[in-house]
Amino acid sequence: GAVVSQHPSWVICKSGTSVKIECRSLDFQATTMFWYRQFPKQSLMLMATSNEGSKATYEQGVEKDKFLINHASLTLSTLTVTSAHPEDSSFYICSAAEGVTNNEQFFGPGTRLTVL
Amino acid sequence: AQSVTQLGSHVSVSEGALVLLRCNYSSSVPPYLFWYVQYPNQGLQLLLKYTTGATLVKGINGFEAEFKKSETSFHLTKPSAHMSDAAEYFCAVQGAQKLVFGQGTRLTINP
Repeated sequence: GAVVSQHPSWVICKSGTSVKIECRSLDFQATTMFWYRQFPKQSLMLMATSNEGSKATYEQGVEKDKFLINHASLTLSTLTVTSAHPEDSSFYICSAAEGVTNNEQFFGPGTRLTVL
Repeated sequence: AQSVTQLGSHVSVSEGALVLLRCNYSSSVPPYLFWYVQYPNQGLQLLLKYTTGATLVKGINGFEAEFKKSETSFHLTKPSAHMSDAAEYFCAVQGAQKLVFGQGTRLTINP
């Protein structure tokens, strides 16, 4: 149980285009979803926390207008990287939790974004 | 606020040897502590977690960790390393909703 999927697993796009990444909880209802970014050989940095039906809470330094997060249902959250640039190239990982506080997060397999 | 420090960005051991990955945390509230493993180009897999109760926690793949409040530590151990243990390991502490990760330790296993 507790499986989280991400789609696509990798994407290559041209600079200036927008890319959408989906995160789905397959066998549970995810009240809360999290989006992380991981640069090569570095740790995971939390970008934002989203609760179903409400606006995402972004971490300091993360541009809300650049990284659009939608959590419209209890099983789906999307991250859209708008007007992507090469510096946005990274590994994006989502996680999902059933509750709001202190519930275990289940991680997706990640999406590798390369912006040319 | 919570923080995690992993001592040693790279640990190398021989196959069959003891694995010890160090993690120290800082937390203003009783911590929930986690160890995750990450294989190349993959997400994170939970190895084990401490929430409350017994301070020695056993996880998957023969790993275990001991919560030591007096030392603010949560070191990860495995008695005998296997080649398949080669990966990146992350210690994390949970505060409210958020997980705060350490910098990670890359474990290399020598044949």
